[in-house]
Amino acid sequence: KAGVTQTPRYLIKTRGQQVTLSCSPISGHRSVSWYQQTPGQGLQFLFEYFSETQRNKGNFPGRFSGRQFSNSRSEMNVSTLELGDSALYLCASSIAPGGGNQPQHFGDGTRLSIL
Amino acid sequence: SQQGEEDPQALSIQEGENATMNCSYKTSINNLQWYRQNSGRGLVHLILIRSNEREKHSGRLRVTLDTSKKSSSLLITASRAADTASYFCAGGSSNYQLIWGAGTKLIIKP
Repeated sequence: KAGVTQTPRYLIKTRGQQVTLSCSPISGHRSVSWYQQTPGQGLQFLFEYFSETQRNKGNFPGRFSGRQFSNSRSEMNVSTLELGDSALYLCASSIAPGGGNQPQHFGDGTRLSIL
Repeated sequence: SQQGEEDPQALSIQEGENATMNCSYKTSINNLQWYRQNSGRGLVHLILIRSNEREKHSGRLRVTLDTSKKSSSLLITASRAADTASYFCAGGSSNYQLIWGAGTKLIIKP
């Protein structure tokens, strides 16, 4: 069974631009969660999607948005990029919603660098 | 900001020795999960212990949970070079978001 796939693996952008990251969950998994990982703040929860609906949202500004498609694939978008958005963005999938009560399966992330 | 804390932040031991990492959390949880992250990669789920369990084993891993002290420990026995990684604890809360610690960086010296 293929794991969680995130594309692209690396991305370099400049301030003010916008970016879209993609995540394909494990087949059969309908819940997708997104995290931002930085050395200073650690792993921060962005949002969780299940059946194309956002179920939970972390404490991030509205520049961070996401969506989920009918095939459970998910995208997250960051607009008006800032230097502080440089981070590893991780996607995790699970069979059911409620990411806190079951194991999460992670992709290898997208490394976003803002110049 | 993190709501969980791992201790120590970094640990360096000789191959073959045991490694113990501790995790403390602040809120009530339904379960406590441990993950491993190799450099530049995603996190890999290691073990999940529920709030009504006190100890759980998986291969060379032993996890304990003390809900009265809001703490957990991860013991890796007979460490190997391949165990070199960062280890994170995450508390599963009633609002279904995992609450993550900052991680312990484990280095196994050959």
